Amino acid sequence: NAGVTQTPKFQVLKTGQSMTLQCAQDMNHNSMYWYRQDPGMGLRLIYYSASEGTTDKGEVPNGYNVSRLNKREFSLRLESAAPSQTSVYFCASSERGAGLNEQFFGPGTRLTVL
Amino acid sequence: DQQVKQNSPSLSVQEGRISILNCDYTNSMFDYFLWYKKYPAEGPTFLISISSIKDKNEDGRFTVFLNKSAKHLSLHIVPSQPGDSAVYFCAARPGGVRSGGSYIPTFGRGTSLIVHP
Repeated sequence: NAGVTQTPKFQVLKTGQSMTLQCAQDMNHNSMYWYRQDPGMGLRLIYYSASEGTTDKGEVPNGYNVSRLNKREFSLRLESAAPSQTSVYFCASSERGAGLNEQFFGPGTRLTVL
Repeated sequence: DQQVKQNSPSLSVQEGRISILNCDYTNSMFDYFLWYKKYPAEGPTFLISISSIKDKNEDGRFTVFLNKSAKHLSLHIVPSQPGDSAVYFCAARPGGVRSGGSYIPTFGRGTSLIVHP
């Protein structure tokens, strides 16, 4: 099992450009998440998808959109990139429900917006 | 306002000694707590968790203690090893009927642990 995979690993954009970060999991998890990590700020939730067909905003959703393409895939789109979106982006997945389940994270995408 | 606080950005420990990483929370709805470990250029990985019905959970060299009245938890690593050098994130989440089934965790800002040989 590959777990959670993310593409690309690195990306440099110019202000105003758009791009989509891809995430896929092969653990048959119901829930998926997008986080960003900035120095000294920990992990902040951008969007999440509790189950296939649903998405909800997290703590810092402005400037982003998401698509839960199917149970495996959850993409994050930046329509018009800004320097403030320079960050490391992590996708994660977990089982949902009453069980106390941890999240599994991908390796991250390092995005620089010039 | 931070609901999960890790007030020590960094901690330096000698190999073989105990490492104690602290975490405080403010939301009384939190009833499940997790620690994640993160190496540079990798995603966080789950380390250990504790439910609010317990005050201690142990897994090998790692023990998490929960003090609900103080809204404080700590991660003890004994003995510390150089391979434990990483950033440790504390996370807390509500859960169950009281919170409407919400399960989204809130993360602290992390503590960077350095274990010297």
